[in-house]
Amino acid sequence: EAQVTQNPRYLITVTGKKLTVTCSQNMNHEYMSWYRQDPGLGLRQIYYSMNVEVTDKGDVPEGYKVSRKEKRNFPLILESPSPNQTSLYFCASSLQGPGYGYTFGSGTRLTVV
Amino acid sequence: GDSVTQMEGPVTLSEEAFLTINCTYTATGYPSLFWYVQYPGEGLQLLLKATKADDKGSNKGFEATYRKETTSFHLEKGSVQVSDSAVYFCALRGSDTGFQKLVFGTGTRLLVSP
Repeated sequence: EAQVTQNPRYLITVTGKKLTVTCSQNMNHEYMSWYRQDPGLGLRQIYYSMNVEVTDKGDVPEGYKVSRKEKRNFPLILESPSPNQTSLYFCASSLQGPGYGYTFGSGTRLTVV
Repeated sequence: GDSVTQMEGPVTLSEEAFLTINCTYTATGYPSLFWYVQYPGEGLQLLLKATKADDKGSNKGFEATYRKETTSFHLEKGSVQVSDSAVYFCALRGSDTGFQKLVFGTGTRLLVSP
């Protein structure tokens, strides 16, 4: 089944403790992206990648890192999480080109205390 | 830059009522337009899309027509069901970002009662 798989689904952590949210897709998509969803703010892009070893900042990259060493994987790293990073995170992937929609993962609900 | 504006929710309807959720956009050139649906506790799913002016996207009884002259992509359904209760997002993929980034509206919650 074509899908984007995120792990974990739920995570509660403490301020400053490094964490990684994994994202993997099995559709051979070039483009991958991370979004966060917050009430009243909608979905905001954190980082994106157009292909292996090519990543760039989205609208709200502060406090986050990403890497794209393999085409299928695009992990999101929070080196020193803070409470304002409590959010619902989505990974998405797509073929390149204007007519393609994104395929989204099921989401990771992160709480930083 | 590119942007999408959706009507505020929630939209509350009775089963079998007609649904319209308004969406207008700002973008240069000819963006591709999308509607996504998010059911409670789930990720976003692509509902329908249109890639050029006057195209009509349709899926599961939902329709939306790409109107270049009014920069709109309103979502419609003739008869809603309780199972349609969800949050609906309008989005575009435009030339401002090299057609890479999906720009979302803030979402409209639909509540359908029996």
